[in-house]
Amino acid sequence: AQKVTQAQTEISVVEKEDVTLDCVYETRDTTYYLFWYKQPPSGELVFLIRRNSFDEQNEISGRYSWNFQKSTSSFNFTITASQVVDSAVYFCALSGQSGGSYIPTFGRGTSLIVHP
Amino acid sequence: EAGVTQSPTHLIKTRGQQATLRCSPISGHTSVYWYQQALGLGLQFLLWYDEGEERNRGNFPPRFSGRQFPNYSSELNVNALELEDSALYLCASSLRDREQFFGPGTRLTVL
Repeated sequence: AQKVTQAQTEISVVEKEDVTLDCVYETRDTTYYLFWYKQPPSGELVFLIRRNSFDEQNEISGRYSWNFQKSTSSFNFTITASQVVDSAVYFCALSGQSGGSYIPTFGRGTSLIVHP
Repeated sequence: EAGVTQSPTHLIKTRGQQATLRCSPISGHTSVYWYQQALGLGLQFLLWYDEGEERNRGNFPPRFSGRQFPNYSSELNVNALELEDSALYLCASSLRDREQFFGPGTRLTVL
């Protein structure tokens, strides 16, 4: 069985602060994929990143960066110099290949509130 | 390139009625997924269609059903609506094991 835990239910920061969203996962698959999605108040989930289990390189995209550590089964997401527009619910997800199924398991999400 | 589209945006029904939600995937995507997101809850997986076949379903009663058409668009039907069916229903499309791209959702309200 797969499991994704986002222990932080809600995080509140002031603009320009750095913030890290935690994601811990469990899987028995040797090949799997990890994702992050952003859900702004409008409701539509926006794909941010996909990482496969064989690629532990950290990734940076503008103010966003991701830290993937297989040793601790974590895939954390950091926003540098946060902005009000970053306010959203962020979901971490895991997709394995057990039984040929590619259904991702989503965490319960972390609500990020960035105050001006 | 057009993204995933869903219709209607909002749907208001009364208990016992049936609701039909529609989804058009990104061109070239053969897989369509349906999720339910009730207020304050995460995404609950409903159904997965690929190449016209139902491949997997989540832990939902049989009154939640759907289908995928030859053009890969999909329909979600909810029969005998209950108050707790009120939620945002999200459709996503993908190429098999690739990342899913989501539509804007249909907000279903059951009165």
